[in-house]
Amino acid sequence: RKEVEQDPGPFNVPEGATVAFNCTYSNSASQSFFWYRQDCRKEPKLLMSVYSSGNEDGRFTAQLNRASQYISLLIRDSKLSDSATYLCVVLGGNDYKLSFGAGTTVTVRA
Amino acid sequence: NAGVTQTPKFQVLKTGQSMTLQCAQDMNHEYMSWYRQDPGMGLRLIHYSVGAGITDQGEVPNGYNVSRSTTEDFPLRLLSAAPSQTSVYFCASSGDLPSEQYFGPGTRLTVT
Repeated sequence: RKEVEQDPGPFNVPEGATVAFNCTYSNSASQSFFWYRQDCRKEPKLLMSVYSSGNEDGRFTAQLNRASQYISLLIRDSKLSDSATYLCVVLGGNDYKLSFGAGTTVTVRA
Repeated sequence: NAGVTQTPKFQVLKTGQSMTLQCAQDMNHEYMSWYRQDPGMGLRLIHYSVGAGITDQGEVPNGYNVSRSTTEDFPLRLLSAAPSQTSVYFCASSGDLPSEQYFGPGTRLTVT
């Protein structure tokens, strides 16, 4: 079983729509959670960290559900520039290793 | 600051050849790591280092060696290239692990 699993999508949404997707993780001892964004043929870049209480950054909202072992990302008022692959990243509880999901692809159309 | 730099950007090798992928960072980060990214599989950790002189294996270390003689540099050596090592390789660094990982632009490697 993969440590981090994501729905690959693609999610095709019109501009202005809201899109949300989840990521599940298998290690209940995981301590830190992140969403990274990766544009086509580019390196990943940090979008936001995910805190236990949930957090927002502009149009982006991240939630953590420890009981069910998943994190979510919601994008409001989608822009064309939001088109990218979103990577779920989890730091295990006992080591120095990050685990990456395979990514969820979002395409925003005009 | 240049951030994280990787060379080369593209490389084609024949099976059995060896080569070194270079990675350097100018942010004085202690933690550095190498990943490979294959379609549908996400980034997989090859090797990582928590400081100069300290390295450890990640999820897929076979066929690769690393060394960390300085804080700035973390080269990845392919010992005897195989077609299964065709991939995009990313180097990353951070001040400490829960912090933001800064990635280099990647090296696209093809082994024929």
